[in-house]
Amino acid sequence: DAGVIQSPRHEVTEMGQEVTLRCKPISGHNSLFWYRQTMMRGLELLIYFNNNVPIDDSGMPEDRFSAKMPNASFSTLKIQPSEPRDSAVYFCASSSQGLGRSYEQYFGPGTRLTVT
Amino acid sequence: GQQLNQSPQSMFIQEGEDVSMNCTSSSIFNTWLWYKQEPGEGPVLLIALYKAGELTSNGRLTAQFGITRKDSFLNISASIPSDVGIYFCAGSRNQFYFGTGTSLTVIP
Repeated sequence: DAGVIQSPRHEVTEMGQEVTLRCKPISGHNSLFWYRQTMMRGLELLIYFNNNVPIDDSGMPEDRFSAKMPNASFSTLKIQPSEPRDSAVYFCASSSQGLGRSYEQYFGPGTRLTVT
Repeated sequence: GQQLNQSPQSMFIQEGEDVSMNCTSSSIFNTWLWYKQEPGEGPVLLIALYKAGELTSNGRLTAQFGITRKDSFLNISASIPSDVGIYFCAGSRNQFYFGTGTSLTVIP
């Protein structure tokens, strides 16, 4: 079975450019989570969706960040305009909330973003 | 911000030794999970705990959900080189929180 798929795996961009990260959750999972990982702050939850609806976006740093989930099999995290302090590894995770093991999140391989 | 304190921060051990790490919180959690992250990869779920006092094993790994619901422990028996990585605890209440991680190095 395919796990969580993220693309691209690496992204290098210049400050001010728009960045779009993509995620395909595990088929059948109804919750999707976006995280950011840095050495300084560890793993931070940015936003999570349940049944394609954003439930909690309190972790989104600022208005430059936006996330969408147009259907059950696809989500995007967009940063516009990007800044050097956005450099981090961004992870997508999915889970089957509402069923027995609702808190078992499965992570993708991450997107390493470098903003110069 | 972070609500989970994980210790130790790093460990250097000889192959074959047992490993113990723990995670504590000032708040009660309903679920505790343990993940392992290797370089360049995402965290991989090792063990999930759902009840206070629960003791669960996964091969050489054993984790416990503390009775107070404010802590959890992970033990690795007879460590091997492929155990190297960063181990994260995670707790869930209404939100999901990750610990700061324990970096494990196993010396052959």
